[in-house]
Amino acid sequence: ETGVTQSPTHLIKTRGQQVTLRCSSQSGHNTVSWYQQALGQGPQFIFQYYREEENGRGNFPPRFSGLQFPNYSSELNVNALELDDSALYLCASSTRGGAPFFGPGTRLTVL
Amino acid sequence: GESVGLHLPTLSVQEGDNSIINCAYSNSASDYFIWYKQESGKGPQFIIDIRSNMDKRQGQRVTVLLNKTVKHLSLQIAATQPGDSAVYFCAETLPTGANSKLTFGKGITLSVRP
Repeated sequence: ETGVTQSPTHLIKTRGQQVTLRCSSQSGHNTVSWYQQALGQGPQFIFQYYREEENGRGNFPPRFSGLQFPNYSSELNVNALELDDSALYLCASSTRGGAPFFGPGTRLTVL
Repeated sequence: GESVGLHLPTLSVQEGDNSIINCAYSNSASDYFIWYKQESGKGPQFIIDIRSNMDKRQGQRVTVLLNKTVKHLSLQIAATQPGDSAVYFCAETLPTGANSKLTFGKGITLSVRP
């Protein structure tokens, strides 16, 4: 088990709603990345935070946004939820340039 | 992901045999590679990594081989055990100074027969 924790474990929302997912990074890690994993697929990079600033973004619309806090924890916010947003959302923390270690994920279902 | 692919969707091996999982990557600029194991309902678990200045790295029961000439990566698991049953992903990163931006393949399922 890694020291990365995520909450909540599961979440059900309806189309058009907004959601906030949370992540606590492993001790000693200052970089947090978020990934979306659709069923049967590999994780897709959403964005990364380092020193509380976005440091790289994948091919996701602006309604996906995030924050990193001084204690290196992070939030992922998704506005105007769509059915295709249903997925496992993974948070990964690392040292700068080190291997990312993943949390257990949050399973989001959009109805 | 777009630039990392796995040749076979599933691999079935007998308990105690060695397993070899292969991965092709298309971006010759990638300089850091990681293998992850993902069990059902869990996040990906780090297995082993290798940087582009190496061609082989060994861990406990696992070996990663990197062939940059043909852009090929493999994971060898010695004496495969039932607990090794999972989906395995290879992932690559570019030398952007922040190796956390990983590009994953679709994954291969390893099934271990008792």
